[in-house]
Amino acid sequence: EAGVVQSPRYKIIEKKQPVAFWCNPISGHNTLYWYLQNLGQGPELLIRYENEEAVDDSQLPKDRFSAERLKGVDSTLKIQPAELGDSAVYLCASSSRGESTDTQYFGPGTRLTVL
Amino acid sequence: EDQVTQSPEALRLQEGESSSLNCSYTVSGLRGLFWYRQDPGKGPEFLFTLYSAGEEKEKERLKATLTKKESFLHITAPKPEDSATYLCAARNTGNQFYFGTGTSLTVIP
Repeated sequence: EAGVVQSPRYKIIEKKQPVAFWCNPISGHNTLYWYLQNLGQGPELLIRYENEEAVDDSQLPKDRFSAERLKGVDSTLKIQPAELGDSAVYLCASSSRGESTDTQYFGPGTRLTVL
Repeated sequence: EDQVTQSPEALRLQEGESSSLNCSYTVSGLRGLFWYRQDPGKGPEFLFTLYSAGEEKEKERLKATLTKKESFLHITAPKPEDSATYLCAARNTGNQFYFGTGTSLTVIP
């Protein structure tokens, strides 16, 4: 079974430029998460989707960040414009609904460097 | 406020020297305590889920245990390939996950 796929793996951009990250979750997983992870820190949730609906986006900086999950499968996270402080690893995770099966499986992440 | 705290931040062990990692949590209605392993440049890899106090799970040299306030990841006779950062996360009744900052484990041959 294929895991969570993310692309690109690395991205270097100048500040004020836009950037987008893509995520393809594990087949059949209805819940999708975007996390931000700074060096030496644990993942911090940006947004959580249940199918197409964003059910928790309270930590998403909506002035510059946006996300979408069309058709309840793939998802895209966008930053526009990027700032120096956005340099981090952006992780995507997915899980299937259910008390005993709600384990998150993570992708490899996208390492963003803003110059 | 829901939160998870891990200790120690870093741990260096000699190969074969057993030890434990701690994860203390305060969440409103625990709905799962998760352990992950993260290697440099990779995403977290799922290890265990624990749901109730007293529960234990094992995998090779790792054993995870859970009480009402904390979880332990016991590492028995570690090998250099066990070197990684170990993350724990707690899920609350609102299906929100709170991650700790991790314990960086180094096992010296």
